[in-house]
Amino acid sequence: KAGVTQTPRYLIKTRGQQVTLSCSPISGHRSVSWYQQTPGQGLQFLFEYFSETQRNKGNFPGRFSGRQFSNSRSEMNVSTLELGDSALYLCASSQPGQGATSYYNEQFFGPGTRLTVL
Amino acid sequence: GQQLNQSPQSMFIQEGEDVSMNCTSSSIFNTWLWYKQDPGEGPVLLIALYKAGELTSNGRLTAQFGITRKDSFLNISASIPSDVGIYFCAGRRIQGAQKLVFGQGTRLTINP
Repeated sequence: KAGVTQTPRYLIKTRGQQVTLSCSPISGHRSVSWYQQTPGQGLQFLFEYFSETQRNKGNFPGRFSGRQFSNSRSEMNVSTLELGDSALYLCASSQPGQGATSYYNEQFFGPGTRLTVL
Repeated sequence: GQQLNQSPQSMFIQEGEDVSMNCTSSSIFNTWLWYKQDPGEGPVLLIALYKAGELTSNGRLTAQFGITRKDSFLNISASIPSDVGIYFCAGRRIQGAQKLVFGQGTRLTINP
C-alpha cells in the first residue's frame, strides 16, 4: 500500500496569512490525526477526524481547524498565521478496530509539511 | 505541553554497542509506542505495547511496557549506522482513542 502523503512538503508564508495543508491517508484508513512538531514543544496533537467528524481535539487555538472528506482525505487550515506557527505539521492515518490492540491499527505518519512563517 | 519524560535526550555511542532509553509519566497509559524519525521524514512505528509487563521485540529492538503502566523502555542491541535518528516514545491514555502524547525524543548518534 502507498503510505500517507502530504502536500505541499514545504511552505513559506507571512504573518497574518492563512494556509491549508492536505493529507491523503493510507488506502482503507478512515482516521486522520494531525500533529505539530517544533523543537521547543515537540510533537503535539492537534485533532483527529474519523468519518468526516472531528473526534478529538488538542489544546490549540481556534485558528487551527480541519476537515475530512468522504474519501478520508483531510485538510488542516491555520488562519492569521503567527511566527510561532512555524513547524513541521504531521498527518497520521489509522484504521482503528473495536478495542484494537494491534500494531496494524496504530497511526502511520506522513513525511510532514514544513511551514515557515516570516 | 509534553507529559512524557524521555531520557536520555541524546546518546553518542560506538557502532556495535547496545542502547537503552526510557520514558516515564506521572499518569497511567494503556498503550506505549516507540517511533523513529529520520531527518525530513515522519515518525515510523517500531513497536507497540498494550499490556503491563509486555515485552516485545522487532529484530534488534526490544521494548517493555512497565508493570506500573507509567513507563516503558526501548533497547537496541548491536547498533549499526542506520540506527541513527531520533527515537520517540508515545502513550495513549484511552484505549481506542487516537490522541497520542509524545516524549521529547532521544537523538542517537553512532560513531563508526
